[in-house]
Amino acid sequence: AQTVTQSQPEMSVQEAETVTLSCTYDTSESDYYLFWYKQPPSRQMILVIRQEAYKQQNATENRFSVNFQKAAKSFSLKISDSQLGDAAMYFCAYKEGGSNYQLIWGAGTKLIIKP
Amino acid sequence: GAVVSQHPSWVICKSGTSVKIECRSLDFQATTMFWYRQFPKQSLMLMATSNEGSKATYEQGVEKDKFLINHASLTLSTLTVTSAHPEDSSFYICSAWGTVTYEQYFGPGTRLTVT
Repeated sequence: AQTVTQSQPEMSVQEAETVTLSCTYDTSESDYYLFWYKQPPSRQMILVIRQEAYKQQNATENRFSVNFQKAAKSFSLKISDSQLGDAAMYFCAYKEGGSNYQLIWGAGTKLIIKP
Repeated sequence: GAVVSQHPSWVICKSGTSVKIECRSLDFQATTMFWYRQFPKQSLMLMATSNEGSKATYEQGVEKDKFLINHASLTLSTLTVTSAHPEDSSFYICSAWGTVTYEQYFGPGTRLTVT
C-alpha cells in the first residue's frame, strides 16, 4: 500500500525567508500524482501545487516550488519570501494514476511564520 | 475555479438525534465525492468514497449504518450521522474530484458538536 510521510510536525521561518517542507512517499506505481495542500486556520483546504510523476521538471507556482526526486521518492515544498499568510498546516498527498481518485495523506506540517 | 459547498458549516445536536450534512459541487459535475473526518491537529481521515448512483465505499472501521452516504445526483452528496453520540463530534470535510482539471476540490467543512 502507498504511504506518505511528513517527518516535520512543525516548522518555523522568519518572514521573507525561505523554508522547505519535507515529504517522502512509498509506491510501486510508475504513474502517479503528488500534491501539496495548505490548510489555514479557516480549515479550507487549498491546493498549493501539483506534480505529475511522468514530468521531470519540478512544478512551480509563484513563490512555491517543489523538489521532486522520483528515485528517492521525495517531494519537498519550498516556500520563498515567506509571508504571514503562509502560516498554515501543509499536507502532502499522493494519488495513483488512473481512475482511482483517492488521495493518500501525510500527517501534515504546521508552518509558523515569525514576523 | 471549481467550488464545493457544504451545509451547514456548524451544527450542534443532541445525543441520539441524526444530522445531515450536504456537499454540493456548484459549477461542475462530480461523479466521485469523498467524505473525510479530521480531528484537531491531525490529518484528513477518509471515511468513504461516494459514487453517483451507486453505494458508497466505506473505509475499514467506519460504520456504514451510522454514517449514511447518499450521492443521488452529479452535484450532491449527503452524509447523515445517525444516532449521534458525543464521540461523533468532529470536523467533517467533503471533496469532489474534477475530472477535467484533475484535482480534488474541497468543501469548507462542517463542525459537528454532539451534546
